[in-house]
Amino acid sequence: DVKVTQSSRYLVKRTGEKVFLECVQDMDHENMFWYRQDPGLGLRLIYFSYDVKMKEKGDIPEGYSVSREKKERFSLILESASTNQTSMYLCASSSGGSGANVLTFGAGSRLTVL
Amino acid sequence: QQQVKQSPQSLIVQKGGISIINCAYENTAFDYFPWYQQFPGKGPALLIAIRPDVSEKKEGRFTISFNKSAKQFSLHIMDSQPGDSATYFCAASMDGANSKLTFGKGITLSVRP
Repeated sequence: DVKVTQSSRYLVKRTGEKVFLECVQDMDHENMFWYRQDPGLGLRLIYFSYDVKMKEKGDIPEGYSVSREKKERFSLILESASTNQTSMYLCASSSGGSGANVLTFGAGSRLTVL
Repeated sequence: QQQVKQSPQSLIVQKGGISIINCAYENTAFDYFPWYQQFPGKGPALLIAIRPDVSEKKEGRFTISFNKSAKQFSLHIMDSQPGDSATYFCAASMDGANSKLTFGKGITLSVRP
């Protein structure tokens, strides 16, 4: 069974802390994505990557950065967490070519910033 | 500017009824239209998708209807069941290797027993 695994399901951090959210996929997918899910706002794209060491900004990149050193791993970094970054974070991956639009999501990481 | 708009915002249906969720898009370059289903505590999962060369696609109890001239597409769930209670997202994108999906805000469907 194909999988996208987000290592932390629940995190509680303090304002100003540096936060790492890790995502690993075992499907040898080229593309990986980080979304943020908030009630009434749906899924908003933060960053995405089409290849190792490559990244592109999504719709709401401010306050976030990403790292993709290996094909299977895509990390989301909050350099200095703020309360307005309290949210559910979803990682997704997709294959290249004709499968690029078929996303497989992880179960999510719920982050609370106090 | 929201490129993909869903309606209604929430929906309550009796068991056995038909659930209808609508989605409107703005970008005429979009040519791939999926619906994702999300259960509590899980990530969204692809439910069904359509491309504009057909007006309807059916998979079991789930049907997508597509109206290119109106820039609208809808999800119909026939014989709705309590197990269909979930959040549903429509999305749209241009086809191609490096395209990305634009999602609607989601709608919560509750199917009453």
